[in-house]
Amino acid sequence: KQEVTQIPAALSVPEGENLVLNCSFTDSAIYNLQWFRQDPGKGLTSLLLIQSSQREQTSGRLNASLDKSSGRSTLYIAASQPGDSATYLCAAASGNTPLVFGKGTRLSVIA
Amino acid sequence: GAGVSQSPSNKVTEKGKDVELRCDPISGHTALYWYRQSLGQGLEFLIYFQGNSAPDKSGLPSDRFSAERTGGSVSTLTIQRTQQEDSAVYLCASSSRMDTGELFFGEGSRLTVL
Repeated sequence: KQEVTQIPAALSVPEGENLVLNCSFTDSAIYNLQWFRQDPGKGLTSLLLIQSSQREQTSGRLNASLDKSSGRSTLYIAASQPGDSATYLCAAASGNTPLVFGKGTRLSVIA
Repeated sequence: GAGVSQSPSNKVTEKGKDVELRCDPISGHTALYWYRQSLGQGLEFLIYFQGNSAPDKSGLPSDRFSAERTGGSVSTLTIQRTQQEDSAVYLCASSSRMDTGELFFGEGSRLTVL
């Protein structure tokens, strides 16, 4: 059974810092891994989708990497801004099961 | 539509009443998912549809919960005889295919059971 863990649970950084959010999964036979952002009281917004054959994906200041052999993914945010403050969730798709989510990392970027 | 649409956005009901939550997925998306998010908790998988069929109902918390999808489009999640522990945000998502497709979520339906 796939399990997804995110560390840290919460993170506070000053504006302008580069930061890394971590995601680990137990079953390396994944189809893809997806990173989402959730603002308070809102739904989830898809940030990046990495297929199992890919090593990384980039969108603007965001870069997500995938290492299936070690069961890890990282989300790198460059030059963080207060508007980046949100909860970031990763989710892994494997087998015939729908996406399994981590509990998220709550990010606060302080101006 | 342009995105996944869910209604109602907020629902307050009394314990014991039935509620229906609706999800209108992105046009053409064959896979549709329901998740539940309780306060301070992660996302809990409830059920998914591939077309109109639901291969995996194992996530439904009890037999008070049911879901259907008609015409390969709109889905409704029904909770009968609601209990206070059913209070949560119910999120719907859709994708073009289950295994490699990107998931797109609606804004959710916040259910409060008094």
